[in-house]
Amino acid sequence: ELKVEQNPLFLSMQEGKNYTIYCNYSTTSDRLYWYRQDPGKSLESLFVLLSNGAVKQEGRLMASLDTKARLSTLHITAAVHDLSATYFCAVVRGAQKLVFGQGTRLTINP
Amino acid sequence: DAMVIQNPRYQVTQFGKPVTLSCSQTLNHNVMYWYQQKSSQAPKLLFHYYDKDFNNEADTPDNFQSRRPNTSFCFLDIRSPGLGDAAMYLCATSTGLNTEAFFGQGTRLTVV
Repeated sequence: ELKVEQNPLFLSMQEGKNYTIYCNYSTTSDRLYWYRQDPGKSLESLFVLLSNGAVKQEGRLMASLDTKARLSTLHITAAVHDLSATYFCAVVRGAQKLVFGQGTRLTINP
Repeated sequence: DAMVIQNPRYQVTQFGKPVTLSCSQTLNHNVMYWYQQKSSQAPKLLFHYYDKDFNNEADTPDNFQSRRPNTSFCFLDIRSPGLGDAAMYLCATSTGLNTEAFFGQGTRLTVV
């Protein structure tokens, strides 16, 4: 059974600081997704990582994938308040299914 | 423009009273999914359709059913909602090729 675990589950940080969210998964997969969710809202796609060593960046967020280690990271650079949200990683299972991690609730304080 | 549309955004239903949530898409995607997300939890896949082929998750209760009358529409039927079924229900679509899923805005279901 595919398990996806995120670390940490809660993260409170100051504006301007850097931090990393980790996503580990238990079985082989070469596709991983990062989503953002604001309170009471749906999921917004951030990154699609399709191969080992893939790195993608958008603004202050950068995501990477190491399929050998079964690990993805979401790095936040010089955090700003607008990045406060819950971040989910999700891994493909089988042909069409996504399995989500527990989510990391990120709070960025002024 | 919204590509995956869920209606209604908020639904209040009585305990045990059947309720239907709807999802439509303008993307012409083959795959449509229904996820249940309870407060502070990850989305949990209930079932999905690949075209007309229905795929139920093993742990989805029988109380939950789905219909997909055509490519654009998919419905989630809850036959006898219980208090534990209160959640956000998310519809998503994908081409089925790279499985990137596009989510609708969700329907928040309250059971009273």
